[in-house]
Amino acid sequence: RKEVEQDPGPFNVPEGATVAFNCTYSNSASQSFFWYRQDCRKEPKLLMSVYSSGNEDGRFTAQLNRASQYISLLIRDSKLSDSATYLCVVPRGGTYKYIFGTGTRLKVLA
Amino acid sequence: DVKVTQSSRYLVKRTGEKVFLECVQDMDHENMFWYRQDPGLGLRLIYFSYDVKMKEKGDIPEGYSVSREKKERFSLILESASTNQTSMYLCASRRRGQAREKLFFGSGTQLSVL
Repeated sequence: RKEVEQDPGPFNVPEGATVAFNCTYSNSASQSFFWYRQDCRKEPKLLMSVYSSGNEDGRFTAQLNRASQYISLLIRDSKLSDSATYLCVVPRGGTYKYIFGTGTRLKVLA
Repeated sequence: DVKVTQSSRYLVKRTGEKVFLECVQDMDHENMFWYRQDPGLGLRLIYFSYDVKMKEKGDIPEGYSVSREKKERFSLILESASTNQTSMYLCASRRRGQAREKLFFGSGTQLSVL
């Protein structure tokens, strides 16, 4: 089983829709999590950090389910500009390593 | 805001050439990283530096070396480029230490080895 797994998508949604995708992780000791956004051929940029049960920033909500070992990202009122790949990143505790999911691709359609 | 600058956005090199990728950060971060990103494989760690002149091999160090002579600069060296090193290379930095620290990335270098 991969340490961090994401559905690659693509998720095709109309503008204004609400979309959610999950990221599962295998290390139950993981304490912190990140969602990064990556546009095509660009660098990943931090979207949200998740340290406890969840985090909210405008239209974006991240939630952590420790029992089932996944984090989710919910995007409300999708915009065309939300089209990107969303990377789930889980630091490997006690090390300097970050484990990256392969990303979920979102396309918001006009 | 943290700025991480990679010297080249696109590079084309020939097999066997020695290639230098440079990365500079302006926030006095102790830790710096080099990753490569390939479709379907995600980001993979090549090398990590936790301070000046300090380095550790990541998951895929073969064919690469690094140099960290100054805190702000972390260089990745391909001693003899091969076609399987064609990839997007991403440099990142963070403050020292804990896993809670977020990574800041440079804009990436798309390297093609012909």
